[in-house]
Amino acid sequence: DTGVSQDPRHKITKRGQNVTFRCDPISEHNRLYWYRQTLGQGPEFLTYFQNEAQLEKSRLLSDRFSAERPKGSFSTLEIQRTEQGDSAMYLCASSWSGQGFGEQYFGPGTRLTVT
Amino acid sequence: SQQGEEDPQALSIQEGENATMNCSYKTSINNLQWYRQNSGRGLVHLILIRSNEREKHSGRLRVTLDTSKKSSSLLITASRAADTASYFCGQGAQKLVFGQGTRLTINP
Repeated sequence: DTGVSQDPRHKITKRGQNVTFRCDPISEHNRLYWYRQTLGQGPEFLTYFQNEAQLEKSRLLSDRFSAERPKGSFSTLEIQRTEQGDSAMYLCASSWSGQGFGEQYFGPGTRLTVT
Repeated sequence: SQQGEEDPQALSIQEGENATMNCSYKTSINNLQWYRQNSGRGLVHLILIRSNEREKHSGRLRVTLDTSKKSSSLLITASRAADTASYFCGQGAQKLVFGQGTRLTINP
């Protein structure tokens, strides 16, 4: 069990550019979640997948954001036409559905800075 | 907007003392999970307490849940410098709702 991994750990981009983040969940976990965290705040839910199906999206996930989990394993989160307000830590978490909604384990996060 | 509240927002104690943090919610409590976050890092899972449980222990951690008051508390006993971090509670099923957290500082 290597834990949840995220790549890259840091990303600096210019406003208007597109960025893509990757999350690899714990291998036996079928649920995957994306959260966003800004400085001094707790994480805010963005979306979650069960296997390859995206089951819920937050209103925070504007049409510039898209998340995929094509084979039910790793997931990508893409932000198009980045804005300075997108600067935040993007956190991925995973869990196993075998016991209902159980522990969510988080990755180290990807810190995005939009200049 | 965030529906949870952690209290206090900041706590500073001496090493060896106990630290108590609280969180409360406006909606009915489902499962509740406590996490620790060191500056600039991801969240580390500490304890999950289910809505039908009242107390749970893990090492130096004790979590209580009062569904009638829609609140939970995290007690860290015999604190250490390494416990310095922000602590969050996340409430919910598939979508965890977090407050702003408690910033805990342990002074040597």
